Amino acid sequence: EVQLVESGGGLVQPGGSLRLSCAASGFTFSSYWMSWVRQAPGKGLEWVANIKQEGSEKYYVDSVKGRFTVSRDNAKNSLFLQMNSLRAEDTAVYYCARGGDYYGSANVYWGQGTLVTVSS
Amino acid sequence: NFMLTQPHSVSESPGKTVTISCTRSSGSIASNFVQWVQQRPGGAPTTVIYEDNQRPSGVPDRFSGSIDSSSNSASLTISGLKTEDEADYYCQSYDSSNYVFGTGTKVTVL
Repeated sequence: EVQLVESGGGLVQPGGSLRLSCAASGFTFSSYWMSWVRQAPGKGLEWVANIKQEGSEKYYVDSVKGRFTVSRDNAKNSLFLQMNSLRAEDTAVYYCARGGDYYGSANVYWGQGTLVTVSS
Repeated sequence: NFMLTQPHSVSESPGKTVTISCTRSSGSIASNFVQWVQQRPGGAPTTVIYEDNQRPSGVPDRFSGSIDSSSNSASLTISGLKTEDEADYYCQSYDSSNYVFGTGTKVTVL
């Protein structure tokens, strides 16, 4: 059974940093694209970033470029999102999702999310 | 970057059929696969359609997806509507460097 479990969310002040983790199990982690998707309170889904199997390609939504970094550790079946210079508008539930084996493949599996609140 | 526009809400009675549209603002809808994501109130997203018209295992065949190049749009059709189908639905597609979600549609089962 595919499982994705996010952790690392919490309350952080504007300008602060946070590192999210996603522990994957039930599949060969190194074989799939992985993504982060977020949802601000009462708003729709927004893609944040994704990363290729070996980490050689990474893509970001414009609003987080230069502030967020996606990475992965295939030996530990883990996905990460380093978030720096956080802003109030980054407040959201952050979901980890598993794609397929090619760019553009659908995120068929999703985690339960972790809440990030940016506030003073 | 392109946008995906959906109707804000649709409502229908149990047993009926609803269709949700997703119109791409630029670039061909047929050039990149479309996915549909369901999100029930308070829940995490789940995928009901991928690669335009494929259903993940466990998704009932009441859910179907299609593409219409003439209107540059994708559609999600839910037939035999059930109360459990009441949720927000989002289309999603991509281009060379961005993934984009649609604006979302709230489906209400009357």
